[in-house]
Amino acid sequence: GDSVTQTEGLVTLTEGLPVMLNCTYQTIYSNPFLFWYVQHLNESPRLLLKSFTDNKRTEHQGFHATLHKSSSSFHLQKSSAQLSDSALYYCALSENSGTYQRFGTGTKLQVVP
Amino acid sequence: EAAVTQSPRNKVAVTGGKVTLSCNQTNNHNNMYWYRQDTGHGLRLIHYSYGAGSTEKGDIPDGYKASRPSQENFSLILELATPSQTSVYFCASGVGLGNYAEQFFGPGTRLTVL
Repeated sequence: GDSVTQTEGLVTLTEGLPVMLNCTYQTIYSNPFLFWYVQHLNESPRLLLKSFTDNKRTEHQGFHATLHKSSSSFHLQKSSAQLSDSALYYCALSENSGTYQRFGTGTKLQVVP
Repeated sequence: EAAVTQSPRNKVAVTGGKVTLSCNQTNNHNNMYWYRQDTGHGLRLIHYSYGAGSTEKGDIPDGYKASRPSQENFSLILELATPSQTSVYFCASGVGLGNYAEQFFGPGTRLTVL
């Protein structure tokens, strides 16, 4: 079946350094949708960005990600971490019709001064 | 603005008791979902629905039932609650199609089974 792998459970960064959170996936579908959701403390998850186009960079709120079907990856990046970026980040996968999304285990990002 | 509400927000139940978690959405979305969130496991899909009258099993349906009596409402039922079901439960509604694919989450219900 489909699966999403987020290898880092916790990432701690100093403010101002670049962010990269890893996401790889496995699927039998040739046209998967990939998503990043962000969940701040005591809030619910909300969509950060999404993509279904191979090798096209998608950006939102300073974050960006590129879907690479050749390596089954959709890593989340930001050039300079801010304290307010501290949150739990989920990568998720959907098939083309989008009936449901399968989530990874999440990566907690802690940005420290 | 998408709106998904859940009730109750907090619940303490006893082992063997029946628990019903309710979810309401005003987005007119066909799809609704129930997840549980646990550290180390992330968000795991319990049940989902394509519309009124339909329910489908997700990845971890054992011990849970779901009911979708209307477009707006989707309930999760624990007939015989166990301590292993202590968790935070999120309901979501969603549009699945193409460029509009997104899920909108409710505020969550914290369930403790003693």
